[in-house]
Amino acid sequence: DAKTTQPNSMESNEEEPVHLPCNHSTISGTDYIHWYRQLPSQGPEYVIHGLTSNVNNRMASLAIAEDRKSSTLILHRATLRDAAVYYCILRDVKRGEYGNKLVFGAGTILRVKS
Amino acid sequence: EPEVTQTPSHQVTQMGQEVILRCVPISNHLYFYWYRQILGQKVEFLVSFYNNEISEKSEIFDDQFSVERPDGSNFTLKIRSTKLEDSAMYFCASSSQGAPTGELFFGEGSRLTVL
Repeated sequence: DAKTTQPNSMESNEEEPVHLPCNHSTISGTDYIHWYRQLPSQGPEYVIHGLTSNVNNRMASLAIAEDRKSSTLILHRATLRDAAVYYCILRDVKRGEYGNKLVFGAGTILRVKS
Repeated sequence: EPEVTQTPSHQVTQMGQEVILRCVPISNHLYFYWYRQILGQKVEFLVSFYNNEISEKSEIFDDQFSVERPDGSNFTLKIRSTKLEDSAMYFCASSSQGAPTGELFFGEGSRLTVL
């Protein structure tokens, strides 16, 4: 099972920033933090990933706590198209519990109001 | 932009029938996956495939399931004798790198309805 904890749902207003939290208190030193999202009736879509430093890409920013026990996905200006389920997933290189796969949890349902 | 394509988009079958779901991964990718999602539930891992063999499979992926990469471009999931509980959306994914950094690209899914 995925070793992350996320709120079941969050709501945001359009064109405002959204901060989606994820707790991973048992994270190991080699776990990467990945975020995916799933728009309605679509397959999951990669958003961003990081190890220790904060990361930015065209879709979002990832802020990782100094102790790495939590992270936050930041959507700088939410649009209606950002309404989706957001998944925070730990992924390790060791072929053990995670192997080479992504393990999806329940994620956070993000609703965006116009 | 390259994408993973899946066919059929929707298949209806009778219980006990064989079903083959097809996927065309992104052309230079090396890692291939099948996931499924029962309506209203989590996305579940089924199997990963690398270097022409299964690298990992879940408990769901029993003897009724098989995967194949028959011609270097397609990646198929076969269910030999479908059950009602196999009704789900099946997603294929591919990646150019493995764990821990490889980004998975998912297809739009194939909806399987078993009657």
